Amino acid sequence: DVLMTQTPVSLPVSLGGQVSISCRSSQSLVHSDGNTYLHWYLQKPGQSPQLLIYRVSNRFSGVPDRFSGSGSGTDFTLKISRVEPEDLGVYYCLQSTHFPPTFGGGTKLELK
Amino acid sequence: QVQLKESGPGLVQPSQTLSLTCTVSGFSLTSYNVHWVRQPPGKGLEWMGRMRYNGDTSYNSALKSRLSISRDTSKNQVFLKMNSLQTDDTGTYYCTRDIPHLALWFAYWGQGTLVTVSS
Repeated sequence: DVLMTQTPVSLPVSLGGQVSISCRSSQSLVHSDGNTYLHWYLQKPGQSPQLLIYRVSNRFSGVPDRFSGSGSGTDFTLKISRVEPEDLGVYYCLQSTHFPPTFGGGTKLELK
Repeated sequence: QVQLKESGPGLVQPSQTLSLTCTVSGFSLTSYNVHWVRQPPGKGLEWMGRMRYNGDTSYNSALKSRLSISRDTSKNQVFLKMNSLQTDDTGTYYCTRDIPHLALWFAYWGQGTLVTVSS
């Protein structure tokens, strides 16, 4: 299975600040169809995960442009600018290029 | 409006079988794939398996020997059965739906149902 490694595990932030979360995969996430199936989710406390970014850099419906994704191959980044209180929680990356789909271990975004 | 809702027993004894139901609305099970994902308390997410729109199933190899997913399209329900439960099967179990034209496996999620394995 593809191993997804997220760093850091914990990320203290001040409201209004900017942060980046890294996600690295144990093998390339470029599919034979040319697409890269790397996605980002946020799980707020006590809630189900919610999709933020799909296929590296596409914001899902209703996701503010404060969230942006980038990367290629095995190295991906989620950036959050102007952090707001509702952004706090655990962020997960997911790859679905290879079977089975696998998640990163999570990055907890919390207030300083 | 796409909705998924998990239901189940809450408490299961070790070595027993877990049975969960995902009841969906707002879409047809014959058009979309439904997946099961679980999360141990305070830990990360694990894909368990899926029911495809055409009735085919796929499973995580780590769980395949214990897991079965089925459906009743007339009732808009997908079922999960997993046997030989142990304490490390404790966690929240989610059903999720995909968006095929985006090749997105887990676009919509249910609220999850907590399963505790304990005697």
